[in-house]
Amino acid sequence: AQSVTQPDIHITVSEGASLELRCNYSYGATPYLFWYVQSPGQGLQLLLKYFSGDTLVQGIKGFEAEFKRSQSSFNLRKPSVHWSDAAEYFCAVGARHSGGFKTIFGAGTRLFVKA
Amino acid sequence: NAGVMQNPRHLVRRRGQEARLRCSPMKGHSHVYWYRQLPEEGLKFMVYLQKENIIDESGMPKERFSAEFPKEGPSILRIQQVVRGDSAAYFCASSPMPGRTGNTIYFGEGSWLTVV
Repeated sequence: AQSVTQPDIHITVSEGASLELRCNYSYGATPYLFWYVQSPGQGLQLLLKYFSGDTLVQGIKGFEAEFKRSQSSFNLRKPSVHWSDAAEYFCAVGARHSGGFKTIFGAGTRLFVKA
Repeated sequence: NAGVMQNPRHLVRRRGQEARLRCSPMKGHSHVYWYRQLPEEGLKFMVYLQKENIIDESGMPKERFSAEFPKEGPSILRIQQVVRGDSAAYFCASSPMPGRTGNTIYFGEGSWLTVV
């Protein structure tokens, strides 16, 4: 079964600073990897996904993530954080199971942005 | 609105009552997923359904919880005899038929259940 670890429960960065959110996964085969963002009281919005091909994927809102198979990681990055990026970020891994496809989420990292 | 629709957005129930949460998937999507988010916790997978078929219910509590996705109408997550510990946000997601190149799920805005 697949699993996801987000080591940082919360992170604080200054507005304009760079950001990296860590994600490690466990899965025996090629994983399908996702990052979602959740604002308070809202659902989850897909930021980006990796299925195959180029290991550096671009997403919405200026985010990108890099798949590193050797490290079982899929870290999310943004070069310059805006105050509106304050939210909770979830890494997820999808995998095929008998009869379908299951997506499992990490515990999330809450991002605080200070002026 | 072509997105995943959940209702009600907020629901208050007394202990022992029943809660019914509804989810209409995105147009063209045939698969529905239910997740539960407890305060300060991540999303926990509950159940995965296709029309008239439960594919994976490994995350569903053994008692009081059930889910269905009938041929017509929305998917329903039903919680009988609610207890305070059921208070949480319940998120529905949908996807098309999983393809050979993977599957992306899209979320609704959630239903917040409060048990008093």
